[in-house]
Amino acid sequence: AQSVTQLGSHVSVSEGALVLLRCNYSSSVPPYLFWYVQYPNQGLQLLLKYTTGATLVKGINGFEAEFKKSETSFHLTKPSAHMSDAAEYFCAVSVNDYKLSFGAGTTVTVRA
Amino acid sequence: NAGVTQTPKFRILKIGQSMTLQCTQDMNHNYMYWYRQDPGMGLKLIYYSVGAGITDKGEVPNGYNVSRSTTEDFPLRLELAAPSQTSVYFCASRLQTNTEAFFGQGTRLTVV
Repeated sequence: AQSVTQLGSHVSVSEGALVLLRCNYSSSVPPYLFWYVQYPNQGLQLLLKYTTGATLVKGINGFEAEFKKSETSFHLTKPSAHMSDAAEYFCAVSVNDYKLSFGAGTTVTVRA
Repeated sequence: NAGVTQTPKFRILKIGQSMTLQCTQDMNHNYMYWYRQDPGMGLKLIYYSVGAGITDKGEVPNGYNVSRSTTEDFPLRLELAAPSQTSVYFCASRLQTNTEAFFGQGTRLTVV
């Protein structure tokens, strides 16, 4: 069965600084990986996804993530944080079955 | 397209009462899911469906029931509500296993 671990439940960054959110997965078969963002009192929105092909994927709002099979990781980065990036971020994994499993989430705070 | 629509947005139930959370999608997706979100716990899968007439349990099914009579609709039934069912509930759908899930806006349920 697949699973996801997000390291760090809270991350605080200064405006303009690098945002790095860590995600490690466990899967016995090649996974499909997703990052979602949730703003307060809203549903989840897709930031980016990796299915096959290029291991560096770009998403919305300047975010990108790199799939590293050797490290079983799919970390999310943004070079320069903006106040509007304050939200909760979820990593998710899916394989060739019905399941879509989520990590516990990381809350990002952006300091002015 | 409306996407995934959940009703109601908010509800307060008394212990022992029952209710149905409605979910409908207009994207002709095969897979539909119900998750609950509790602070610091991420999203836990309650039930899922891979098509009309086919449903199965997720990680935390106790106290809930579902049905899927049409492709569009996937209601979640709470029987004999308990305080432990206080949570935010999300319905999601997706076309297939390597595609992203689309989420509704959520239902905030309080059991008192």
